[in-house]
Amino acid sequence: DTAVSQTPKYLVTQMGNDKSIKCEQNLGHDTMYWYKQDSKKFLKIMFSYNNKELIINETVPNRFSPKSPDKAHLNLHINSLELGDSAVYFCASSPGVGGAYGYTFGSGTRLTVV
Amino acid sequence: QKEVEQNSGPLSVPEGAIASLNCTYSDRGSQSFFWYRQYSGKSPELIMFIYSNGDKEDGRFTAQLNKASQYVSLLIRDSQPSDSATYLCAVPNTGGFKTIFGAGTRLFVKA
Repeated sequence: DTAVSQTPKYLVTQMGNDKSIKCEQNLGHDTMYWYKQDSKKFLKIMFSYNNKELIINETVPNRFSPKSPDKAHLNLHINSLELGDSAVYFCASSPGVGGAYGYTFGSGTRLTVV
Repeated sequence: QKEVEQNSGPLSVPEGAIASLNCTYSDRGSQSFFWYRQYSGKSPELIMFIYSNGDKEDGRFTAQLNKASQYVSLLIRDSQPSDSATYLCAVPNTGGFKTIFGAGTRLFVKA
């Protein structure tokens, strides 16, 4: 009965590889997000989808491509991974848009690029 | 760029004391304010939110908001070692579709 689930939890890969992270929420929320948390614990938004429509696309390298097949799913594909991509990536969801009622976060995916 | 600022700490308090965590924000139009708790290696968890000026209490937690000063705080009474975590202040951006997070304050409660 996990509310927001992400897979995989850990991802270790070599530079130059392509990888995907998947997220699913069963809360009936309209909006889903990808946040990146760096080594200093700073959470920065990357993308947001509202009912499958992309509404936020921050200054993120175009090697990162999100996809939302339906409002319960949001995936993140990363091409040509670089060392600087190592971080924890959190999926989140919220009722409405922008988090005015708070977010529910997934458990995170710790990506390590070697 | 709208910002949310917190003292990164660490803030160390003895067990049973009151821990006071502070946050300032730059977006004057912000209407809602959130505190998330993040244990090491875990995801952020929403613990408090406040919309109106003044205090809001929930168990051992009290959120305080002063919109004129653009200041929000979280008080934890009777601090326990299990409260040791990073506390993130978060403010939804007015006119936008995202929430801005502060860098977080690390709290240590010593037994």
